[in-house]
Amino acid sequence: AQTVTQSQPEMSVQEAETVTLSCTYDTSESDYYLFWYKQPPSRQMILVIRQEAYKQQNATENRFSVNFQKAAKSFSLKISDSQLGDAAMYFCAYRRQDDKIIFGKGTRLHILP
Amino acid sequence: NAGVTQTPKFQVLKTGQSMTLQCAQDMNHNSMYWYRQDPGMGLRLIYYSASEGTTDKGEVPNGYNVSRLNKREFSLRLESAAPSQTSVYFCASSEALSSEAGTYEQYFGPGTRLTVT
Repeated sequence: AQTVTQSQPEMSVQEAETVTLSCTYDTSESDYYLFWYKQPPSRQMILVIRQEAYKQQNATENRFSVNFQKAAKSFSLKISDSQLGDAAMYFCAYRRQDDKIIFGKGTRLHILP
Repeated sequence: NAGVTQTPKFQVLKTGQSMTLQCAQDMNHNSMYWYRQDPGMGLRLIYYSASEGTTDKGEVPNGYNVSRLNKREFSLRLESAAPSQTSVYFCASSEALSSEAGTYEQYFGPGTRLTVT
């Protein structure tokens, strides 16, 4: 069964610094999709970044980038120049070929001014 | 476009009561999902529907039933509510991988906070 593990329940980072959130997953598939979602206190789920497993290049979106290590089944999120608005829960998600999507338990990120 | 809508936003039930959570999307997506979110547990998949006419169990289906009424609507029913079903419920939709187009990200509704006493 596929599982998604986020080993850091909470993290803190100083404003303007860089932080990396980790995610590992277990799968026997060779092609799949990975996502990071952000959930601020409003509870709304917001897509941060996506990665297609068959693409070797790491995805980037402005201050957000991933380190995708397919062999290690690792998909970490790096946030550069952290801002107060980045404070939120962050969820890693895995999408299987049958369209089932599994989430990790999340990492709560605190930004220290 | 309204995106994904859910009703109701809040609900309080007594143990043993039944209710249906409604979800609709206007993005012509094939795939729809129901999750529950509990503190420290992340989002856990209850049921999903990869396409109209199909439904499949997720990680925590016990105590729930679903209906994919048409392409737009996917409802979640609690036949006999239990305190363990107190949670925030999210509906989501996305393009199916079989569509071979799009970003395949999920679009979420605003959630329903359900309390069972």
